[in-house]
Amino acid sequence: DTGVSQNPRHKITKRGQNVTFRCDPISEHNRLYWYRQTLGQGPEFLTYFQNEAQLEKSRLLSDRFSAERPKGSFSTLEIQRTEQGDSAMYLCASSSSDSPLHFGNGTRLTVT
Amino acid sequence: GDSVTQMEGPVTLSEEAFLTINCTYTATGYPSLFWYVQYPGEGLQLLLKATKADDKGSNKGFEATYRKETTSFHLEKGSVQVSDSAVYFCALSPGGATNKLIFGTGTLLAVQP
Repeated sequence: DTGVSQNPRHKITKRGQNVTFRCDPISEHNRLYWYRQTLGQGPEFLTYFQNEAQLEKSRLLSDRFSAERPKGSFSTLEIQRTEQGDSAMYLCASSSSDSPLHFGNGTRLTVT
Repeated sequence: GDSVTQMEGPVTLSEEAFLTINCTYTATGYPSLFWYVQYPGEGLQLLLKATKADDKGSNKGFEATYRKETTSFHLEKGSVQVSDSAVYFCALSPGGATNKLIFGTGTLLAVQP
């Protein structure tokens, strides 16, 4: 069990650029979650996958955000036309049907 | 909708002091309750959980009891150490198909030697 891996750890981008983050879950976990955490706040749910199917999306996930999990293993989160308000820590978590969520260390996005 | 309210921090204690971090929740149905901890520079880690009323979760000297009558899940530890310094998050899972978590805002604990 190597844990949930997220890349990159840090990303600095200019406003208007597109960014993509990757999450590799624990291998036997079929559930994958994306969260966003801003300074001084708890993580906020963005979206959930069971295997390759995206089963739930938060209202926080605007049209500029898209997440995929094409083969039911790793997942990507893309933000198009980034805005300064997108600056946050993006967390990925995975679980099986009877286990709690295991979180990665996150990708910190800074939009300048 | 479902939500979690935690006491605001920071909480500053001397080593070996008693710790309480308050957490209350609002939920329809019967959620599961969790405490996660985030040490400096690290990801969120599950500290303890309770899945039904009157259950007590415990780990590493920390305890929390699921109180349905007061909708609370307060975190306690009898004697804190410097190594317990971290941010503590209370969370609930409403149940259902997704198993997702709803978090409180977190409480920073600083333990001084």
